[in-house]
Amino acid sequence: DTAVSQTPKYLVTQMGNDKSIKCEQNLGHDTMYWYKQDSKKFLKIMFSYNNKELIINETVPNRFSPKSPDKAHLNLHINSLELGDSAVYFCASSHNMKGNYGYTFGSGTRLTVV
Amino acid sequence: AQTVTQSQPEMSVQEAETVTLSCTYDTSESDYYLFWYKQPPSRQMILVIRQEAYKQQNATENRFSVNFQKAAKSFSLKISDSQLGDAAMYFCAYQSGGSNYKLTFGKGTLLTVNP
Repeated sequence: DTAVSQTPKYLVTQMGNDKSIKCEQNLGHDTMYWYKQDSKKFLKIMFSYNNKELIINETVPNRFSPKSPDKAHLNLHINSLELGDSAVYFCASSHNMKGNYGYTFGSGTRLTVV
Repeated sequence: AQTVTQSQPEMSVQEAETVTLSCTYDTSESDYYLFWYKQPPSRQMILVIRQEAYKQQNATENRFSVNFQKAAKSFSLKISDSQLGDAAMYFCAYQSGGSNYKLTFGKGTLLTVNP
């Protein structure tokens, strides 16, 4: 039973399109995150939500809009996709905002914009 | 802002040997947590080991152990009896114990295990 599941695993789309990535966790965690991993494998936080409330918005273009309908779900919608958006996007969760027990990550979504 | 530095982009080790991956970090905080994550070719991020800054004792998890030097702001990972399955990208990460609620990663070290 997958703890943090993301769909889809792969997404290939054309520039200018709008796409969504879904994330669900069944761990009962309060806090969820979106991280972006670029082509050099560098991981950078984009957003975090705690109990459906936005906690961190890390200077991400407003074409990216996260939505958390409940604390078990955090979706990422991207408008007007650009070539530079191509990356692997990871969803993660932690017990609470402190994250002191570490994060549990999903398996990632590889987004390719052509 | 906290920064995490992994100075070894790539390392290699012979199967059954021991390897140490380096990590340093910069912070003015006294309360924080440190982690090592492993990312094999499958892309999955796997938590390897964690260390609380207030604990002097180095964390160990089976073949994985850390050398935590708080004054030097150093947090190295030692992998003993290396196995082929240990081949992966390893990321060092820092989590503030205060109100900066995000995990900050280093750039990673790619570990190759030679048979």
